[in-house]
Amino acid sequence: AQSVTQLGSHVSVSEGALVLLRCNYSSSVPPYLFWYVQYPNQGLQLLLKYTTGATLVKGINGFEAEFKKSETSFHLTKPSAHMSDAAEYFCAVIFSGGYQKVTFGTGTKLQVIP
Amino acid sequence: KAGVTQTPRYLIKTRGQQVTLSCSPISGHRSVSWYQQTPGQGLQFLFEYFSETQRNKGNFPGRFSGRQFSNSRSEMNVSTLELGDSALYLCASSLVGQVNTGELFFGEGSRLTVL
Repeated sequence: AQSVTQLGSHVSVSEGALVLLRCNYSSSVPPYLFWYVQYPNQGLQLLLKYTTGATLVKGINGFEAEFKKSETSFHLTKPSAHMSDAAEYFCAVIFSGGYQKVTFGTGTKLQVIP
Repeated sequence: KAGVTQTPRYLIKTRGQQVTLSCSPISGHRSVSWYQQTPGQGLQFLFEYFSETQRNKGNFPGRFSGRQFSNSRSEMNVSTLELGDSALYLCASSLVGQVNTGELFFGEGSRLTVL
């Protein structure tokens, strides 16, 4: 079955430290991949997306993600965490044949410690 | 450009009642999707509408229904409310037609509390 998995429901990092949020998917065909961020009491906002082409994708707020087909992964990184990065992050996938049906991971809450 | 607008933002209902939530997509967006967000289940896909037709449906009981109007505005309805229906209901619109986009634009949600 096609699925998307986020490892770690809560991640804590110190301000200025590397942020690494993990996302893996299960599919024989590379899907479209997205990362969304949700701040408290708000909807979700797109951080970045991968559809085709370059496997290293840069997004807003200094975030980037790399699509690794061999590892079926799309991990989100940021070199230096800022207090304002504290939020919940969702990996999302559109599987082949699932036109406009977006499947979300369970989310990872990022805490940034001053 | 105005974003996705959801109304009401907050509402409280009692078990057995029904509720209707409204979503106005970004101008020009013809696809509207609905999601239920709860702490235990995360984001669960409810349904997606395009040009007044339901194209995709998630695994929710028939108490959950929706529709889309000719101006792309959408409503969802939940009948015979249960305590477990308490959740944040998120609406998202997208510019269908650009196959490689798939980007969803979310509203701030309608928070439903069932007592």
